[in-house]
Amino acid sequence: GENVEQHPSTLSVQEGDSAVIKCTYSDSASNYFPWYKQELGKRPQLIIDIRSNVGEKKDQRIAVTLNKTAKHFSLHITETQPEDSAVYFCAASLYNNNDMRFGAGTRLTVKP
Amino acid sequence: NAGVTQTPKFQVLKTGQSMTLQCAQDMNHEYMSWYRQDPGMGLRLIHYSVGAGITDQGEVPNGYNVSRSTTEDFPLRLLSAAPSQTSVYFCASSYQGSLAGEQYFGPGTRLTVT
Repeated sequence: GENVEQHPSTLSVQEGDSAVIKCTYSDSASNYFPWYKQELGKRPQLIIDIRSNVGEKKDQRIAVTLNKTAKHFSLHITETQPEDSAVYFCAASLYNNNDMRFGAGTRLTVKP
Repeated sequence: NAGVTQTPKFQVLKTGQSMTLQCAQDMNHEYMSWYRQDPGMGLRLIHYSVGAGITDQGEVPNGYNVSRSTTEDFPLRLLSAAPSQTSVYFCASSYQGSLAGEQYFGPGTRLTVT
């Protein structure tokens, strides 16, 4: 099955700086790559996703890039704010959400 | 809409006991799934279903059973609880096919097996 690796496991930045989280996947047939944010004690929530026919997608301060050849994708958060502090998970699946596999998560801390 | 609901919120079991974690959604989603979340290991898929009457195994299915008799409900059964099943369990649902996208997660069930 698909295997997703995520780095770094923890990331600390100053407010206003950028944060980048990287993931690699093993199955070249995977075509759907979402990112979820989980605040302490809460449920994961989707923040952005990308499909394999697109190389980059942006939503305000958040962007995701996908390199299918290298089988990696990244989350970029610009102008970070304290409320961005959370655990972020990347994921990959072959078809829609079926049999989706998640990375181990990155704990992002934004210092005011 | 209530979204995705899970019961109970907390549960303590003794080794060898069985129980069912309940999950329901009112969004008419075809796809439903169960994950467990352990520290440092992210979300691991236990079982999933693409519609009523159809279920499939995920990454860590051993020790768990599921069934999907209706679109709304997707219960997870622990057959004989073990301490290794201590975890937080999340149920999630989404559309299938061309409408597929965000998985909506329930609030989670924190299970402790002693």
